[in-house]
Amino acid sequence: DSGVTQTPKHLITATGQRVTLRCSPRSGDLSVYWYQQSLDQGLQFLIHYYNGEERAKGNILERFSAQQFPDLHSELNLSSLELGDSALYFCASSPRGQANTGELFFGEGSRLTVL
Amino acid sequence: GENVEQHPSTLSVQEGDSAVIKCTYSDSASNYFPWYKQELGKRPQLIIDIRSNVGEKKDQRIAVTLNKTAKHFSLHITETQPEDSAVYFCAASKSGNNDMRFGAGTRLTVKP
Repeated sequence: DSGVTQTPKHLITATGQRVTLRCSPRSGDLSVYWYQQSLDQGLQFLIHYYNGEERAKGNILERFSAQQFPDLHSELNLSSLELGDSALYFCASSPRGQANTGELFFGEGSRLTVL
Repeated sequence: GENVEQHPSTLSVQEGDSAVIKCTYSDSASNYFPWYKQELGKRPQLIIDIRSNVGEKKDQRIAVTLNKTAKHFSLHITETQPEDSAVYFCAASKSGNNDMRFGAGTRLTVKP
């Protein structure tokens, strides 16, 4: 158990719908990263938040948005869903300051299926 | 931004043989290079990492080498075992770790 919690574990929805994925980082971690992993694909970096502020943005579609709240949990919002958005969405966190060795601690992922 | 390329995409070896996975990166400012292992249906987990001030690092049967000039790094697994079968990802990032970019992954199969 990495200490990173993601909900829901599985989600099935229809095209055109909107969903929200939630992530709670490890206790004390300020950074939250979101990655998308499509079937047999690599880990595509979406976005990174640090202590509530956006730090870096990757290949995140305009239909997707994210935020990190004062309690440090993060939400990834996916709207106008398309079949191609079906994927495993991972959240990861990393420690702050001196404890940050660079390692990302991944959650178990949220598997989104768009029908 | 950083671009990480990884080869091969699939690798099949006999138990006991060695496996080598290679990655190249594009941003010369990248200075942290981790390797993650993802077993089927599970989350990626760090297995070894190397920083740009080091050329090689070893941990039991796994080792990583880094060539900063050529901007490539490799993962070496010796005496492979069936439990080494998984997808391996290389990654690269700069200080501050704002956006860690991953390679496309290598599916390693170790045949008993």
